[in-house]
Amino acid sequence: DADVTQTPRNRITKTGKRIMLECSQTKGHDRMYWYRQDPGLGLRLIYYSFDVKDINKGEISDGYSVSRQAQAKFSLSLESAIPNQTALYFCATSDSTSTSYNEQFFGPGTRLTVL
Amino acid sequence: GDSVTQMEGPVTLSEEAFLTINCTYTATGYPSLFWYVQYPGEGLQLLLKATKADDKGSNKGFEATYRKETTSFHLEKGSVQVSDSAVYFCALRRGTDKLIFGTGTRLQVFP
Repeated sequence: DADVTQTPRNRITKTGKRIMLECSQTKGHDRMYWYRQDPGLGLRLIYYSFDVKDINKGEISDGYSVSRQAQAKFSLSLESAIPNQTALYFCATSDSTSTSYNEQFFGPGTRLTVL
Repeated sequence: GDSVTQMEGPVTLSEEAFLTINCTYTATGYPSLFWYVQYPGEGLQLLLKATKADDKGSNKGFEATYRKETTSFHLEKGSVQVSDSAVYFCALRRGTDKLIFGTGTRLQVFP
């Protein structure tokens, strides 16, 4: 079973709809991240969380919100989706207590299309 | 601010050819440097890393050397395989746990 899972894997929605993307991990890591990937732009950080009570904005947080429901769960919400939020979204985790603390482990991604 | 610049792709090679994907960075201080690989339909996986100047990261036949004097971390492999076809991302990390990624370079290897 995958260590970092994302649901759904694909989603098509309409402008103005509220969407939630979910991420779960079984790695026991304390840190979790949300990125979006756009062609020609690489990955950009949306939000990150160093533990359940610590949530921080990344470089492109406008239009998004997050919730860290538990150490293993980190959800990304689009309150009112717009077409330029069409992208591939990745969740990632890392372990601040590990000697490999700077390695991030990625989920398989969610492809979101906003019409 | 910190940034990473990668050569644009796609890079198209025949099997057993030599691979170089260029990566340069801009950052103050001494960032850690990474190469991640994304196979089709999958998330990113760490390929190799280097945490200080002159370090060489290596994995699966790929190598990259942290060159502070040229602010570069070029990825190389002596003999590519079809299974190496993927998108390769250079990234840096400075201070906090956040990664800054380059735009990615697609590698296509043909038999």
